[in-house]
Amino acid sequence: GAGVSQSPSNKVTEKGKDVELRCDPISGHTALYWYRQSLGQGLEFLIYFQGNSAPDKSGLPSDRFSAERTGGSVSTLTIQRTQQEDSAVYLCASSLDASPPVEQFFGPGTRLTVL
Amino acid sequence: GNSVTQMEGPVTLSEEAFLTINCTYTATGYPSLFWYVQYPGEGLQLLLKATKADDKGSNKGFEATYRKETTSFHLEKGSVQVSDSAVYFCALWKAAGNKLTFGGGTRVLVKP
Repeated sequence: GAGVSQSPSNKVTEKGKDVELRCDPISGHTALYWYRQSLGQGLEFLIYFQGNSAPDKSGLPSDRFSAERTGGSVSTLTIQRTQQEDSAVYLCASSLDASPPVEQFFGPGTRLTVL
Repeated sequence: GNSVTQMEGPVTLSEEAFLTINCTYTATGYPSLFWYVQYPGEGLQLLLKATKADDKGSNKGFEATYRKETTSFHLEKGSVQVSDSAVYFCALWKAAGNKLTFGGGTRVLVKP
């Protein structure tokens, strides 16, 4: 079937605005992950969902970041009051299950630019 | 905490050259280890993995052996092609937290 999809592919916003990034995982995948890829920080984990629950939110950089997942499928990452340091590529991945370690399939990413 | 260190790039090679990308990790216990590859304009893809000590992961001519004694998972390929030009990421996974911890990535450029 189709792979992980993310929208938008590119987002340019002004500092202080809120943005929503969407991820559609592979059908049937129960685990969903958000990562951020930036020049200064490399690839860093943000949050993961098992079903609709997020057991680990420790990677979220600040309380401006939040994420939800509904129906065990689509997930939205919201960044409030965006700052320039939020500029990065936001990657979503999904896997069939969370444990034992199975392959995480990555989407193409959303490139966020905060002016 | 867990961390992964890999050699900085870019690594520039000629076609048919031997490629090694060093990767070492810090973690307690026995993490699973992965190499992911990101081709230009594409998303991250799993290249190979090893889940226990002395396991060898292999795919597309690439190999990496999980060395517990040296906490390493070096990636090797005997004869690279132009199509191997990409960014390679070493990563580890542990059940606690269920997240991949990535190295900084190594850009490889193979010239004809």
